Amino acid sequence: GESVGLHLPTLSVQEGDNSIINCAYSNSASDYFIWYKQESGKGPQFIIDIRSNMDKRQGQRVTVLLNKTVKHLSLQIAATQPGDSAVYFCAENMAGGGNKLTFGTGTQLKVEL
Amino acid sequence: GAGVSQSPSNKVTEKGKDVELRCDPISGHTALYWYRQRLGQGLEFLIYFQGNSAPDKSGLPSDRFSAERTGESVSTLTIQRTQQEDSAVYLCASSSVPGQDLYGYTFGSGTRLTVV
Repeated sequence: GESVGLHLPTLSVQEGDNSIINCAYSNSASDYFIWYKQESGKGPQFIIDIRSNMDKRQGQRVTVLLNKTVKHLSLQIAATQPGDSAVYFCAENMAGGGNKLTFGTGTQLKVEL
Repeated sequence: GAGVSQSPSNKVTEKGKDVELRCDPISGHTALYWYRQRLGQGLEFLIYFQGNSAPDKSGLPSDRFSAERTGESVSTLTIQRTQQEDSAVYLCASSSVPGQDLYGYTFGSGTRLTVV
């Protein structure tokens, strides 16, 4: 079936550098996307979202880019900090899907000092 | 409460035993969701409640899994005759009106189930 997947299972960056985490999705009916951060032993925490009628959205130190042509989603974290170390998931919601989210496998972000 | 609360936080059970996992959603959230997360993997949808009804049970892996919700509040996920492949973290989330403001989709910390 259609699913959400991630290109890189592990990403290591130096503190202060920018991080880019990628996600590929295949469900063309999805109209809403969310990035979550999950720290060890905790539930996923909302970071930023974007609707399918947008191609970019910015938050505090984070930017999400959506390319519907190639069904690609990315999360950019500026000036990565040690506290950003976590697993990052993208999730998609299909219109009329009752808020059910389909999650990707996740990317482990490691910030090196 | 201030957040989604799940209990127990950890559960170790013997193969073949039944287990009950509890979720207390954010007060006033009408929608409640159960997900399963195996080690190193993403979240798998199990079931969704709107009020006390479950319009989408499509993710329940077998008839050993069932869930109920009462008082448009607490939900219980029951796994009968547990198997080792049931070992995972079971996460609950709640949200306000479906279709509006998915930002309100908040997860609990999960119950880590280990079947030995």
